[in-house]
Amino acid sequence: AQTVTQSQPEMSVQEAETVTLSCTYDTSESDYYLFWYKQPPSRQMILVIRQEAYKQQNATENRFSVNFQKAAKSFSLKISDSQLGDAAMYFCAYRRSNFGNEKLTFGTGTRLTIIP
Amino acid sequence: NAGVTQTPKFRVLKTGQSMTLLCAQDMNHEYMYWYRQDPGMGLRLIHYSVGEGTTAKGEVPDGYNVSRLKKQNFLLGLESAAPSQTSVYFCASSYPTGRINSPLHFGNGTRLTVT
Repeated sequence: AQTVTQSQPEMSVQEAETVTLSCTYDTSESDYYLFWYKQPPSRQMILVIRQEAYKQQNATENRFSVNFQKAAKSFSLKISDSQLGDAAMYFCAYRRSNFGNEKLTFGTGTRLTIIP
Repeated sequence: NAGVTQTPKFRVLKTGQSMTLLCAQDMNHEYMYWYRQDPGMGLRLIHYSVGEGTTAKGEVPDGYNVSRLKKQNFLLGLESAAPSQTSVYFCASSYPTGRINSPLHFGNGTRLTVT
């Protein structure tokens, strides 16, 4: 079974600085998808960024970027120019790409605090 | 565009009571899911459905039942609530994947407390 590990239960960063959240996963598949979701205090789950395993180029979305290391099974999230609105729980998630298997496996989350 | 709507938002049950959580999506998604979120454990899949009239068990299905009678609705039932089912429940939906990286769209969650 696939597992997703987030080894940092909590992180903090000074406003305007850069922070990196770690995620590793375990799979025997060669084709899969990876995601980062953000959960602010409102409880809503918001998709931050996604990466296809077959793409070598790291995904970027404005201030958010990933460092995808397929061989190391690592998928870290970098947040640049941190803002107060970035404070939230961040979940890394994995999904196989086989049609018909849509289950998303989540890590346990990292709580990010932004220090003004 | 409402997206994924869950009702109710909050509920308190006594042990042994039953209830149904309703999830509705207006994005014509084929796939729907129920997750529960507990502190320190992330989100765990309870049941899911890949189409109208079909359901399947996820990681933690015991104590729950589901039904998908209509494409846009996915119901989660608790027949006899237990304190261990105190949690936040999330519904999500998506298109089928294949080669398309279809993300999950989540509802805002239901906080359930069983006393």
